[in-house]
Amino acid sequence: AQSVSQHNHHVILSEAASLELGCNYSYGGTVNLFWYVQYPGQHLQLLLKYFSGDPLVKGIKGFEAEFIKSKFSFNLRKPSVQWSDTAEYFCAVTYSGNTGKLIFGQGTTLQVKP
Amino acid sequence: GAVVSQHPSRVICKSGTSVKIECRSLDFQATTMFWYRQFPKQSLMLMATSNEGSKATYEQGVEKDKFLINHASLTLSTLTVTSAHPEDSSFYICSARALDRPYPTGTGELFFGEGSRLTVL
Repeated sequence: AQSVSQHNHHVILSEAASLELGCNYSYGGTVNLFWYVQYPGQHLQLLLKYFSGDPLVKGIKGFEAEFIKSKFSFNLRKPSVQWSDTAEYFCAVTYSGNTGKLIFGQGTTLQVKP
Repeated sequence: GAVVSQHPSRVICKSGTSVKIECRSLDFQATTMFWYRQFPKQSLMLMATSNEGSKATYEQGVEKDKFLINHASLTLSTLTVTSAHPEDSSFYICSARALDRPYPTGTGELFFGEGSRLTVL
């Protein structure tokens, strides 16, 4: 079955710490990968996406993610987090042929302490 | 970026009543909209895919007669929770795919509404 798994459910970091959130997807052919963020009380926003090309993708707010095809992974990274990065982060994938249907991971709650 | 608006953002209703939630793409046309349900501290679960001018495609386990979806125009999809019960209380989120964006077919970027929190008493 097509699925997405996020390894970390709740991450607590201090400001300036580095961040890496894991995301793995099940095999299903060609994929497009996304990271979304949901700040408290706000709607989902796209952080970054991978369709093709350079597997290292840079997104907004200093986030980046690396697509490693052999590992079916698309981990999200940020070298130095800020208190304002406190939010819920969702990895999502679309598989070719499924009409653009997004399949979400369980989400990771990131809490950054000032 | 493109804007998707949901209304109402919050609704409280009595058990047994029906509630309609609207999802509008404000500055783009969306032939496809998706409805998700988010339980507290959980991920978004796709309920159905709404296609303009045709019947919605429901995910396994989602009751079609319970969650009525209508996509009558290129900018509006509605979700009606019929005969709502407390277990239907949840956060419902819609998203719309912008087909006028320069992305490959089937992978158009999705834009999300603010969500609608339904509480059934």
